[in-house]
Amino acid sequence: GQSLEQPSEVTAVEGAIVQINCTYQTSGFYGLSWYQQHDGGAPTFLSYNALDGLEETGRFSSFLSRSDSYGYLLLQELQMKDSASYFCAVRASGSARQLTFGSGTQLTVLP
Amino acid sequence: DGGITQSPKYLFRKEGQNVTLSCEQNLNHDAMYWYRQDPGQGLRLIYYSQIVNDFQKGDIAEGYSVSREKKESFPLTVTSAQKNPTAFYLCASSITGGEAFFGQGTRLTVV
Repeated sequence: GQSLEQPSEVTAVEGAIVQINCTYQTSGFYGLSWYQQHDGGAPTFLSYNALDGLEETGRFSSFLSRSDSYGYLLLQELQMKDSASYFCAVRASGSARQLTFGSGTQLTVLP
Repeated sequence: DGGITQSPKYLFRKEGQNVTLSCEQNLNHDAMYWYRQDPGQGLRLIYYSQIVNDFQKGDIAEGYSVSREKKESFPLTVTSAQKNPTAFYLCASSITGGEAFFGQGTRLTVV
């Protein structure tokens, strides 16, 4: 099976940088993705890492270390609108394409 | 426009009733997923399917059933065996299981 751990809450001020960590355990690993969900809304895709290293998309970056079963999402130049829940998700290897989510990190951005 | 459509947005169920949640996608994605989200919690996988006429149980499949007769459609039935069905239900689709696209969700309430 798969399991993921991420902090439940993170608080930061506007303009700051915040890192949300995710560690995972899986019987077979294909890739790690990140999603954002605002209250009452549906999750939206942010980033995906299948290989080790850093992927940058605007203010958001995501990092993966397969040997450490670890990844993080880095949010720079925080804005109030970044207040949301952030989920990491692991895709298991094999043809089944099972996609399992972590429990989420609630990010609060303060003025 | 391509996307995933879930209906209805709100659904009320009486005790002992079966209800079916609709999920349709026109993204030509092979993989489709159903998740349950309780307030303040993460996404828990109910069922997933990678091809027509094939689907697998996720972590919390008891009390739910699905079908995949067409590539575009993946309806979820919440049966009377599901003792605590009140939740936010999210359907998603993906090509590879890396980047998933979500519908706007169905909020199911037992009355």
